[in-house]
Amino acid sequence: DTGVSQDPRHKITKRGQNVTFRCDPISEHNRLYWYRQTLGQGPEFLTYFQNEAQLEKSRLLSDRFSAERPKGSFSTLEIQRTEQGDSAMYLCASSAGQDNQPQHFGDGTRLSIL
Amino acid sequence: AQSVTQPDIHITVSEGASLELRCNYSYGATPYLFWYVQSPGQGLQLLLKYFSGDTLVQGIKGFEAEFKRSQSSFNLRKPSVHWSDAAEYFCAVGSKTSYDKVIFGPGTSLSVIP
Repeated sequence: DTGVSQDPRHKITKRGQNVTFRCDPISEHNRLYWYRQTLGQGPEFLTYFQNEAQLEKSRLLSDRFSAERPKGSFSTLEIQRTEQGDSAMYLCASSAGQDNQPQHFGDGTRLSIL
Repeated sequence: AQSVTQPDIHITVSEGASLELRCNYSYGATPYLFWYVQSPGQGLQLLLKYFSGDTLVQGIKGFEAEFKRSQSSFNLRKPSVHWSDAAEYFCAVGSKTSYDKVIFGPGTSLSVIP
């Protein structure tokens, strides 16, 4: 059973650089979510895809953030011109297409901005 | 707006003792409620969920939770804690009307004394 996979597990970069994270959901899941989690806090919703369509974006997702899911399978989250405040754990989750299905989370990508 | 509070930031219990983690939510309609557990450096694992029906919900690892509409609560319980239960626990509320967007509480950190 392959769960949600995220790559890389840890990314260290200098302020101002661009970074891209990848998420591979559970294969039969058509819904995919991105969350951000800072130390000592619960995950905060960033954005949501149903198949390849991005249906909702949080106000937390500034113009420097962009997410794609081009073929309705894996998704990428890009952060441009990273800032210190972007340091966090970025979590991906997926769920099946029916209502009432819980989200299954990956282990996350921890971003550290130097 | 939806919100979740977890009044206890940190709880310490002895191994074998009973456990109750508190969760209160704010939501205008019948909520979908979840408890997730997160071990250090890992993603979130679903312990149990409530959508409708029986207000006492059984989950994995011997956990249960009770939905009390009158108190807007969804407390998590376990009769006998094991050292491996030490982790961060998150209560969450979902909304069917918002593409299954889930709002997480701030979490309760559980320490277990051998």
